[in-house]
Amino acid sequence: QQQVKQSPQSLIVQKGGISIINCAYENTAFDYFPWYQQFPGKGPALLIAIRPDVSEKKEGRFTISFNKSAKQFSLHIMDSQPGDSATYFCAASRGASGSRLTFGEGTQLTVNP
Amino acid sequence: DTAVSQTPKYLVTQMGNDKSIKCEQNLGHDTMYWYKQDSKKFLKIMFSYNNKELIINETVPNRFSPKSPDKAHLNLHINSLELGDSAVYFCASSLRQGFPYGYTFGSGTRLTVV
Repeated sequence: QQQVKQSPQSLIVQKGGISIINCAYENTAFDYFPWYQQFPGKGPALLIAIRPDVSEKKEGRFTISFNKSAKQFSLHIMDSQPGDSATYFCAASRGASGSRLTFGEGTQLTVNP
Repeated sequence: DTAVSQTPKYLVTQMGNDKSIKCEQNLGHDTMYWYKQDSKKFLKIMFSYNNKELIINETVPNRFSPKSPDKAHLNLHINSLELGDSAVYFCASSLRQGFPYGYTFGSGTRLTVV
């Protein structure tokens, strides 16, 4: 049972465009929703995260939008750059579960120059 | 200094062999994890240790045995390696149990079983 579903699987955007990646979760007990960025040969690195008591969080060009009633959250990358080309993972965690992260399937983002 | 370091980075071995992956973190975190990333890049937790105590043990074959000699180290020993064990294994750490903020991953160990 996949508790966090992520789409699209792959995304191609032109430089300067907006990249949007969506995730949906099932477990309403999740209380922490991070996004991770992974470059080839590297481990996932925390990009930005949100708690369910907030509907939006912005850090630089990266914004998380959170819809608690729909059990959905999304990552928006504004002014996408070729250096943003990477695999992006959404994740969810429930503190009481021992801090495990349940990941989405990942989105391969390619930003063309 | 690397926050979470894993060795080796690459591991190629034959079926049936036993191998170990080592992980060390210098962040002062209490909780450490092993995650497996399969060929489709899907990440899934295998184990979690909090201050040397096993907290999470997912549905992982008994051939996988984690060991935490102290809270800064978490090793993974794999017996009787199978082709299906080929994957990238990531070590990670977080501040403490029940506190998932600031999760930090190592660079991974790519295990190839031939």
